[in-house]
Amino acid sequence: EVQVVESGGGLVQSGGSLRLSCAASGFTFSSHEMIWVRQAPGKGLEWVSYISSSGESITYADSVRGRFTISRDNARNSLYLQMNSLRAEDTAVYYCVRDGRTAPGTFRRFDYWGPGTLVTVSS
Amino acid sequence: EIVMTQSPAILSVSPGERATLSCRASQNVNSNLAWFQQSPGQAPRLLIYAASARATGIPARFSGSGSGTEFTLTISGLQSEDFALYFCLQHNNWPLSFGGGTKVEIK
Repeated sequence: EVQVVESGGGLVQSGGSLRLSCAASGFTFSSHEMIWVRQAPGKGLEWVSYISSSGESITYADSVRGRFTISRDNARNSLYLQMNSLRAEDTAVYYCVRDGRTAPGTFRRFDYWGPGTLVTVSS
Repeated sequence: EIVMTQSPAILSVSPGERATLSCRASQNVNSNLAWFQQSPGQAPRLLIYAASARATGIPARFSGSGSGTEFTLTISGLQSEDFALYFCLQHNNWPLSFGGGTKVEIK
């Protein structure tokens, strides 16, 4: 069974740091691109960051570029999001999401989402 | 950045009726459009990818159509579990962008 499960959320003061982890199982993690998506309380969804299957290609939303770092360890089937200089507006549930496509040029399908981990930044 | 606009924000529908949700892109996204359903307290679930392909395990009452800038999600014969929040997502260009959502509520 395919699963992705986030961890590492919590309460942090403004300006602080957190590292989120996402443990993947039930599929060949090293073959899949991954993204992080967040959702502020009562709000819509916001894409945060992307990483290719090898980790060589990375991109970020403008709102987090320079503060957040995405990475992965394919040997450990794990995805990470290092969040520095946190702000109140970063308060959200953070989701780890698999891109289900397995070949370049085919349509992306963000088919497995973790349950999310809540990050609360106090000002 | 591509702006995705969903309408209406709230859709009131009776059980068994059909719901039609719209998603408009500020520029051409080809067929790189997905739809998600989110129930309260849960993570989003992929319904439709490539604008019209149903994801694995999604009932046939969910259908997607459109390309370019105009997209539609149709839910035929609404069931109790379908009353939820729905989002569209374009993945034609970075940054990826979601619509603001449509809440489908019981009339």
